[in-house]
Amino acid sequence: QSVLTQPPSVSGAPGQRVTITCTGSSSNIGAGYDVHWYQQLPGTAPKLLIYGNTNRPSGVPDRFSGSKSGTSASLAITGLQTEDEADYYCQSYDSRLNNFRVFGGGTKLTVL
Amino acid sequence: QLQLQESGPGLVKPSETLSLNCTVSGDSISSSSYYWGWIRQPPGKGLEWIGSIYYSGSTYNNPSLRSRVTMSIDTSKNQFSLSLSSVTAADTAMYYCAAEDHIMVLSFAHWGQGTLVTVSS
Repeated sequence: QSVLTQPPSVSGAPGQRVTITCTGSSSNIGAGYDVHWYQQLPGTAPKLLIYGNTNRPSGVPDRFSGSKSGTSASLAITGLQTEDEADYYCQSYDSRLNNFRVFGGGTKLTVL
Repeated sequence: QLQLQESGPGLVKPSETLSLNCTVSGDSISSSSYYWGWIRQPPGKGLEWIGSIYYSGSTYNNPSLRSRVTMSIDTSKNQFSLSLSSVTAADTAMYYCAAEDHIMVLSFAHWGQGTLVTVSS
């Protein structure tokens, strides 16, 4: 059971918009800790997609955006493309134990 | 451009110690800009943070693994290392080293390609 909860799967057609939620608690996201998002294409290492809740690293298309409110965060992907089919993970920190990094369980995005 | 590369045995026997190295290029392992971390992913499952180490030697570990984990830094080789003792089949996973970058709010901004470690006799 992950500390951060994500839906196991989401899907959308090319061109559509999907959102992936990441639900935490008052000891992690709700405590004000930053949320980061990673994309893991099949057979590859994760890649940073969004950092500090809303920021995109250089090279990440603006189709990807992040937001955070209360004890949850969301990743939105607009204009879905087939190459977006991947696993997506949120990550934050938990105050209960010494800068404990926590990941969500991951969400499989299927582009129909 | 920071690059990381894991190395170590791909097969470890149960009850033995798993040892991995991560070689860093593109910056110094002694840089205060990064925390150096280990993350693993069992086959078909999600990511699990193992622990992180700072250039000063301060370490932060996943409580579920803390008693079995040792991390260190070797400045002469620009490497950091992970040791996981008393392994079982449950420790079979892809192991990634990664760098938490201060500029990117300590996200895991840089990743190695990963190395698969199988625990089996």
